[in-house]
Parts: sequence; structure tokens; C-alpha cells
Amino acid sequence: AQSVSQHNHHVILSEAASLELGCNYSYGGTVNLFWYVQYPGQHLQLLLKYFSGDPLVKGIKGFEAEFIKSKFSFNLRKPSVQWSDTAEYFCAVNAGGTYKYIFGTGTRLKVLA
Amino acid sequence: EAGVAQSPRYKIIEKRQSVAFWCNPISGHATLYWYQQILGQGPKLLIQFQNNGVVDDSQLPKDRFSAERLKGVDSTLKIQPAKLEDSAVYLCASSRGGDRYQETQYFGPGTRLLVL
Repeated sequence: AQSVSQHNHHVILSEAASLELGCNYSYGGTVNLFWYVQYPGQHLQLLLKYFSGDPLVKGIKGFEAEFIKSKFSFNLRKPSVQWSDTAEYFCAVNAGGTYKYIFGTGTRLKVLA
Repeated sequence: EAGVAQSPRYKIIEKRQSVAFWCNPISGHATLYWYQQILGQGPKLLIQFQNNGVVDDSQLPKDRFSAERLKGVDSTLKIQPAKLEDSAVYLCASSRGGDRYQETQYFGPGTRLLVL
């Protein structure tokens, strides 16, 4: 069965530190990949997405993610986090040609001012 | 544009009771999703509509859960009878419907259900 793994459940960083959140999926075919974010008290919203082309995609607020097909990974990065990045981050996968969206369990990021 | 609306925001019921959730998607969005998010887990897709037709309900527990989207706009999700393990946040999302595999989903605030 298809699955999405986010290995880091809780991450605590100081402001200006670099961030990398891991996301691995299990599906051998074409995939569409997403990162969603939920800030405290707000709705889930899209951070960035990848369908095809350049495997390095840039999203809002300085976030980027790299699709590495050989590693079945889609890790989220930000070179310098801010206190306002404190949120829960979800990786999601849609296996190509299906309607099934599968979300990871999420990573709670806390950035210390 | 107005976002996805959901009601109620909170609901507490006893097991074996029934409950219904309502969702109003963003105007013009053809695709509507219902997710269940249990504490500590990611959202799990229950059912997906394209206009008023179901395109995927493979993870919907059909013995107790039902959903409809009459006229291709609002949707209701019902649980009857509820079990303790149904305690979760129920999220509704919508997307434009042009390409269901690659679209951005817009989420509502969710309904937090507690079954006692």
C-alpha cells in the first residue's frame, strides 16, 4: 500500500538556523508531491508542490523542496527559519493517475526567538 | 475570495448517537474532499466528489459513514452510529477541479468531534 513517512515528529530550532524536514513515500510510479503547513489557529494551506520538471521547487515564505526520485524523497528546506515558521508541516503524495491523496503524520516545528 | 466554510466547529456526542457535518466549498470549486484527522496523525481522505458525483470513497467506512453533495455545491458528512474511535477533526477541502491529481486543495477550519 502507498504510504508517506515523515521521520521527524518534533523539531525545535533557534531563529536563523537551517531547516530540513524529511518526507519519504512508497510508490514506484509517477507521483505528485505537496507540502502543506498549518500555522497555529489557522487552516492547512499549500506551501509548495511538484508535478514534473525541475526537481527543486520553490514555495512561499522562502521554502523549497527537492524531489529525489531514486530516494523516493521530497524533503523540505529553508536556509534560515523565523519565529513565524512555527507550525505543523505535512507532506502529501498523490500517486499519478489516481484520486488518492495520502498525507504524512506531520512534523511540529517550533522556532525559538 | 471566501474560504471553505464548515460547521459546527465543535461537537460532543455520546457513542451510538448520530452526527452530521456541513461544508460549503469555495465558490466555483468542482472538487470537494472530506478528511478525517485523528490526533497525532495526518489527514486521511474519506471521500472525494467531482461536482455531485463520487470519484473515490475507498476509505469511507460505509457501514456508519455517509456523505452527499447535492447540486454539486454544499456537502454533508454523517456518522451513524458514532463510535469512540471516530473522535477526530473532520476537514473539508475544495479545489477547482481542472486536474484532480495536481491541484491545490483549500482547507476549511475543520469540525472537532469528541465521542464519549
